[in-house]
Amino acid sequence: SQQGEEDPQALSIQEGENATMNCSYKTSINNLQWYRQNSGRGLVHLILIRSNEREKHSGRLRVTLDTSKKSSSLLITASRAADTASYFCATALPTGANSKLTFGKGITLSVRP
Amino acid sequence: ETGVTQSPTHLIKTRGQQVTLRCSSQSGHNTVSWYQQALGQGPQFIFQYYREEENGRGNFPPRFSGLQFPNYSSELNVNALELDDSALYLCASSLVIIQGGGGYTFGSGTRLTVV
Repeated sequence: SQQGEEDPQALSIQEGENATMNCSYKTSINNLQWYRQNSGRGLVHLILIRSNEREKHSGRLRVTLDTSKKSSSLLITASRAADTASYFCATALPTGANSKLTFGKGITLSVRP
Repeated sequence: ETGVTQSPTHLIKTRGQQVTLRCSSQSGHNTVSWYQQALGQGPQFIFQYYREEENGRGNFPPRFSGLQFPNYSSELNVNALELDDSALYLCASSLVIIQGGGGYTFGSGTRLTVV
């Protein structure tokens, strides 16, 4: 079953604009991670935020986590055509050091040149 | 530092056959997980191996089985293939740490088509 639900399902923006993607989940978590996938290939880990953190930055990425609302957002600033991909949020449950990841269905981001 | 490599990249099998997919973990990683991704869906957790033993399993039948070897490489075996087994199979490796968990390194996947 899907733990995370991403919103919107699809997003189309112009190069240079910011892209905001949202994720909601249902149960308590250890951490939440965002991944990118290009054209049905492997997933690339973007950023991880732990349950005791509220915001993290990595280059053009900013992720927030609100555990009271069980939601997270990923902001990509100054988007590029190369950012075109599917984006997934994944949650890790608070059991064990490395537990399974539960993914949402993903968001398709298209960045127009 | 090498990443996660999977073989083969594509595979076509007939319903009822058996298949073995292979994965080499990233150097220094000791945990390997397998995921199934159907078209248009997010990856679904199959199972995880740590220290050569299964360390968690998703909602998949026993005909999905795996192995982890002393060098941390892994195999996914699927018996009695069904049409619904057609999917992208992803292997992910990670390093077990005590607290907080960590990110996973994914391979490029094996695209399995069952006809």
